[in-house]
Amino acid sequence: AQKVTQAQTEISVVEKEDVTLDCVYETRDTTYYLFWYKQPPSGELVFLIRRNSFDEQNEISGRYSWNFQKSTSSFNFTITASQVVDSAVYFCALASGGYQKVTFGIGTKLQVIP
Amino acid sequence: DTAVSQTPKYLVTQMGNDKSIKCEQNLGHDTMYWYKQDSKKFLKIMFSYNNKELIINETVPNRFSPKSPDKAHLNLHINSLELGDSAVYFCASSPDRAYEQYFGPGTRLTVT
Repeated sequence: AQKVTQAQTEISVVEKEDVTLDCVYETRDTTYYLFWYKQPPSGELVFLIRRNSFDEQNEISGRYSWNFQKSTSSFNFTITASQVVDSAVYFCALASGGYQKVTFGIGTKLQVIP
Repeated sequence: DTAVSQTPKYLVTQMGNDKSIKCEQNLGHDTMYWYKQDSKKFLKIMFSYNNKELIINETVPNRFSPKSPDKAHLNLHINSLELGDSAVYFCASSPDRAYEQYFGPGTRLTVT
């Protein structure tokens, strides 16, 4: 069985603050893939990043960075110097089990206050 | 130009009716999906097709029937609609099952 836990259901930060969104996953497979998606208030779902289980290198893309740690089964997402446009629901997802199934976490709603 | 498109965007119908949602992708992807997102934003996979073959069929009432006439299309037909079917339905596609998914804009279904 596979599971994705996003313990933070809602987070509010003031603009320019840094914020980290937590994601903890469970899987029995040694090969798997992790993803983050963004769903802004307009409703569309936007892919942000994909990471495979053999690549623990952290990644930075502009103000976004991701910290993958297999030892703690976590794939956390940090937004540096948050902006109002970052306000959205962010989903962490896991593909494993022959990649037959993708399991999404319940999402973390981020509100950035101007 | 749209990568993954869905029609209609909004669907309001009465209980007991039958309705369909269409999805098309022009990305050349092999895998397509249907998801249901409820009012609490919980996103749950319903079906997945790979090269027109059904590979995932989650615990979904058999009133829901997907159809993939070709790799670029995955339609969802729903019979005997119920109030609990009200949700946003997303279609998605990916190059393969282990890759990122590209989502359509969603279809907001309201059953009255």
